[in-house]
Amino acid sequence: DTGVSQDPRHKITKRGQNVTFRCDPISEHNRLYWYRQTLGQGPEFLTYFQNEAQLEKSRLLSDRFSAERPKGSFSTLEIQRTEQGDSAMYLCASTRGGSNTGELFFGEGSRLTVL
Amino acid sequence: RKEVEQDPGPFNVPEGATVAFNCTYSNSASQSFFWYRQDCRKEPKLLMSVYSSGNEDGRFTAQLNRASQYISLLIRDSKLSDSATYLCVVNRPGGFKTIFGAGTRLFVKA
Repeated sequence: DTGVSQDPRHKITKRGQNVTFRCDPISEHNRLYWYRQTLGQGPEFLTYFQNEAQLEKSRLLSDRFSAERPKGSFSTLEIQRTEQGDSAMYLCASTRGGSNTGELFFGEGSRLTVL
Repeated sequence: RKEVEQDPGPFNVPEGATVAFNCTYSNSASQSFFWYRQDCRKEPKLLMSVYSSGNEDGRFTAQLNRASQYISLLIRDSKLSDSATYLCVVNRPGGFKTIFGAGTRLFVKA
């Protein structure tokens, strides 16, 4: 399967714990996005990378959130000191850079439940 | 005000009906526009791009009105399989930041 893959698919954690999600984009895609989605809402933009550079980060992200894409391939999203309000689906998407074709290819998401 | 606004629905229509969804966006400099489809508990997938000249793909027609900052999606001859959430999507100037609306839910009934 050469699509976007995310790991883990499900994570249950206790409030205050740290969690990390990984995303492996489609190999030739140099742009990578992280979104958060809660029930009944559309995906909310969190951040995106072009290659290894993090070009924008949403104001939605508190200092507890950090994302990296160290070699311009896979990316990680870490949430420190999780809160119940962090419970959501975290979606990763990738696309080819250059002229914007518009199509984001999404992974199946990582569902976080904070107890 | 949200950057991309949609009527959340739900729209409940019988098979064979024609249904239209609307979307407005607030940033007049937005560059490109799309409709995505999201099935229950699945990831969003591109349905179609939206152009000023309008575009059609089978039973689906999308329109863009830049002056009114308004996007529409028309589905003709609805099928049961069209039941999903339809997400209006806008790219910010520069084309990098992709913003999703909250989605419009469609239920097509037999």
